Formats: sequence, C-alpha cells, structure tokens
Amino acid sequence: GAVVSQHPSRVICKSGTSVKIECRSLDFQATTMFWYRQFPKKSLMLMATSNEGSKATYEQGVEKDKFLINHASLTLSTLTVTSAHPEDSSFYICSAGRGNTIYFGEGSWLTVV
Amino acid sequence: RKEVEQDPGPFNVPEGATVAFNCTYSNSASQSFFWYRQDCRKEPKLLMSVYSSGNEDGRFTAQLNRASQYISLLIRDSKLSDSATYLCVVTSSNSGYALNFGKGTSLLVTP
Repeated sequence: GAVVSQHPSRVICKSGTSVKIECRSLDFQATTMFWYRQFPKKSLMLMATSNEGSKATYEQGVEKDKFLINHASLTLSTLTVTSAHPEDSSFYICSAGRGNTIYFGEGSWLTVV
Repeated sequence: RKEVEQDPGPFNVPEGATVAFNCTYSNSASQSFFWYRQDCRKEPKLLMSVYSSGNEDGRFTAQLNRASQYISLLIRDSKLSDSATYLCVVTSSNSGYALNFGKGTSLLVTP
C-alpha cells in the first residue's frame, strides 16, 4: 500500500481561486517533505522543501507567497496554490524519505480554467 | 546549463531489442545516482540505484563514470511493458532526500 498519500489526485479550479493539496506520510514521521512540479514533457522540478514546525525552503524562482506550504505535523504537509492561473496547471507531487528510501505521493493534477 | 541532461528521445525500438540511455550531470560533487521510471501521468518509481562499480538487475544494467560525469542505463530484451519515461536522478551530499531529475528519456517498445 501507499506509504505517502497525496490528495486530491485531480482538481479543476477557476482562475483566481486557491487550491490545497495534501501530502501525508502514512506510517512514518517525516520532518521534511518535498514538493515537485512537472509541466507536460518537462522534468520534475523541486519547488520547495517543507520543514515540520518551521518555514519551507523554496527553490529559486518559486514564489513563496503564491505557493504556500504548511507542515504542521510530522505526517502532513500541504501545498496551497493561491490565486491560481492557467499557467499553474501542472502535475504536483510530494515525497518523503525514510531510511534509505524515498517515497512519492501519487501526484495531483491541477487544471486551472 | 541544466544540472542533469538526458536525450529526451523518443526511442522507438522493437520488442527484444537492446536500448541504452545516457545521462550527464554537471555537479562534480554529486553523490548518489538513480534511474527512475515514470509512466504516463503517474508518480516516478525507483528502477535502480547506480554505483561506481556498475550494477545489474535482470535485464537492466546501470553504469556510472564519475570522471566523465556520465550515467547510463542499458535495457536488454526489451518488453512492451518497458515503454515509459526513464528519469536520470542525481543528489548531492547536502540535498538530503531532495532529488534532481533529468528531463527524462521516452521509450516506446513496439510489437
């Protein structure tokens, strides 16, 4: 079964609204989780590192005020895309590590119309 | 220059063929190397780690050349189910569990 679960798997929202994506580690605690974004035919790009109990660390070029990350517990990180625009339509995926293994969520397809 | 570069393909090969993918990385301090497989609209899945001594897992062989900063993946006796995008992944010593992905190489195995 899934070790890292992501929800929702697909979401369609109107331009200007906000969308929240959840990433949960199901049977382990993760002090850090990672959020990636993948545009069609492009590579998975690290957006930010989510740190439990502290601010997320964003990669260069990723707007922290647009992509809000909250890691309030050791098993949950959320990514909120605020004021979504059609160009934010993408595949968003999270990951967490345990020991020598990295687990990915199932990914979330966001379409902004 | 991108940190991890791959030929995007697509590679179209018949069943049973042998196909090789290459990947180069720019950061000489890179520490760990992997090949992931990604099926259409799905999350990436670890195919194999890549070691300096090279490693083999069934029909798959991965090799690392640190001097040339080059990684390869060889697939023998291709199966239809091998059709996917193969992602070259690199990490550095201070990146923790964060992965640096290549763009991926698309493989289509045909009957």
